[in-house]
Amino acid sequence: GQSLEQPSEVTAVEGAIVQINCTYQTSGFYGLSWYQQHDGGAPTFLSYNALDGLEETGRFSSFLSRSDSYGYLLLQELQMKDSASYFCAVRDAGNTPLVFGKGTRLSVIA
Amino acid sequence: KAGVTQTPRYLIKTRGQQVTLSCSPISGHRSVSWYQQTPGQGLQFLFEYFSETQRNKGNFPGRFSGRQFSNSRSEMNVSTLELGDSALYLCASSLNTEEQFFGPGTRLTVL
Repeated sequence: GQSLEQPSEVTAVEGAIVQINCTYQTSGFYGLSWYQQHDGGAPTFLSYNALDGLEETGRFSSFLSRSDSYGYLLLQELQMKDSASYFCAVRDAGNTPLVFGKGTRLSVIA
Repeated sequence: KAGVTQTPRYLIKTRGQQVTLSCSPISGHRSVSWYQQTPGQGLQFLFEYFSETQRNKGNFPGRFSGRQFSNSRSEMNVSTLELGDSALYLCASSLNTEEQFFGPGTRLTVL
């Protein structure tokens, strides 16, 4: 089976940088995704990494190290609207289910 | 382009009843997945349908079932409801790529 570990809560100051880590254990590995979910809202896709390295999309970046079974989501220039839950998710092969971590609740404070 | 829609948005049932939830994917999306979300448990995968065929099934009891129609719309059914079935049920569609588009969910409360 698969398992993912990510911190349950993170607090950071507006304008700062925060990193949300995700470690995973899977029988195979196809890719690591990140989703954002605001309270009362639907999860929305942020990024996907299939290969080692950093992917940047605006203020958000996602990193993957396949050899370490580890990835992280980096949020820069934090804004209050970034307060949300962030989920990492893995798929261990093509056309297999996406398995989600339990989520990290990010609180951005002034 | 319209997003994923789910009906109903809220539902209250009593133990022992059954419920049917509906999901309409984004036009052109043939893959539909269902998830159960409860506080502290993240999103638990229920099942995935692709072109009317169940492609994957999660670790849920047989009381949970689903189907997909030829227009890609999907339904999930839960029979003999239990208190523990109270949750947000999310549907997501995709073009069979890594990006899944989620609907707003159906909030089910079992009394």
